[in-house]
Amino acid sequence: EAQVTQNPRYLITVTGKKLTVTCSQNMNHEYMSWYRQDPGLGLRQIYYSMNVEVTDKGDVPEGYKVSRKEKRNFPLILESPSPNQTSLYFCASSSRTYTQYFGPGTRLTVL
Amino acid sequence: GENVEQHPSTLSVQEGDSAVIKCTYSDSASNYFPWYKQELGKRPQLIIDIRSNVGEKKDQRIAVTLNKTAKHFSLHITETQPEDSAVYFCAASRWDSNYQLIWGAGTKLIIKP
Repeated sequence: EAQVTQNPRYLITVTGKKLTVTCSQNMNHEYMSWYRQDPGLGLRQIYYSMNVEVTDKGDVPEGYKVSRKEKRNFPLILESPSPNQTSLYFCASSSRTYTQYFGPGTRLTVL
Repeated sequence: GENVEQHPSTLSVQEGDSAVIKCTYSDSASNYFPWYKQELGKRPQLIIDIRSNVGEKKDQRIAVTLNKTAKHFSLHITETQPEDSAVYFCAASRWDSNYQLIWGAGTKLIIKP
């Protein structure tokens, strides 16, 4: 089954404790992206990647890191999480059709 | 850069009536316009899209219209049903944008029984 998976789905952590949210797709898509979704603010892009070893900043990259060492994986790293990073995070992938396929989301709470 | 404005932010309609959500874009080179639906607690999913060489596209009860001159496109839902309640996002993209979508802020559609 073609899909985008994210782990964990829910995470409660404390300020400053490094964490990684994984994202994996099995559709051989070149493009992958991370969004955060906050009430009333829609989908805001954090980082995106055009292909392996190619990443670029989106609209709200501060406090986040990404890497794309393999085509199927695009982890999101929060080196020192802060409460303002409490949000719902979505990973998405796309091919040349431009249709973005979203993962199930990760709800992160930083205390 | 490209900017996409979406209106209204909330739309409440009686079950069975029609709903229309409108988006305007700023970049005249944009040529791809998708609509995504996000049900409560779920991920956004593509429901319909249109490319700039087409003025209208229909899929059962939903349709999208595009006015390139005015730089706006609209989502039309007819005979609304309770399962249409969701947040709808429009987006725009251009062929040389490396698959980047510029998103509207979303419209919460409420279907009243």
